[in-house]
Amino acid sequence: KAGVTQTPRYLIKTRGQQVTLSCSPISGHRSVSWYQQTPGQGLQFLFEYFSETQRNKGNFPGRFSGRQFSNSRSEMNVSTLELGDSALYLCASGQNQYITGELFFGEGSRLTVL
Amino acid sequence: DAKTTQPTSMDCAEGRAANLPCNHSTISGNEYVYWYRQIHSQGPQYIIHGLKNNETNEMASLIITEDRKSSTLILPHATLRDTAVYYCIVRVAGSNTGKLIFGQGTTLQVKP
Repeated sequence: KAGVTQTPRYLIKTRGQQVTLSCSPISGHRSVSWYQQTPGQGLQFLFEYFSETQRNKGNFPGRFSGRQFSNSRSEMNVSTLELGDSALYLCASGQNQYITGELFFGEGSRLTVL
Repeated sequence: DAKTTQPTSMDCAEGRAANLPCNHSTISGNEYVYWYRQIHSQGPQYIIHGLKNNETNEMASLIITEDRKSSTLILPHATLRDTAVYYCIVRVAGSNTGKLIFGQGTTLQVKP
């Protein structure tokens, strides 16, 4: 069973640009959550999508957005990049009921903003 | 979700048991204790979870105190590959949410 796949793994952007990151969840999982990890703030929840609808949202500015497609694949977008957006962006997939509460994380997309 | 407190770092000798404590004094009756770990440059990995009974799986054991205000994750025979940041999280199980509140975690260094 394939795990959570995130692309690209590494990318470099400059301030003011925008970036799109992709996440393919484990087959059969319909929930996708996104997290940002920085040395200063640690792991922070960005948002969660289930059945193409945003179900939860963290405390991030509107520059951070996401969407989910009918095949459960998800993308997140960051517009007008700032230096502070440099981070590891992690995607996690889970089953609907979270019976076990287990999330499966991908390897992440490491974004560097210059 | 209740807040957790963990030591910043711990060392453990290879082959010995690693005991990682976590305080969650404000935990509610319907909140579970979950443990994840993150090996350097990888995504977090689920380890184990429990409500009030002690739990064991192939990776670790979880001991929860009777008052549920604290717990201990036990890696029975730590290896170098267990060097990671360990996160203790409390959340309502079956809450239909992929939102986890991560603290700073405990950096476990397993030494030869």
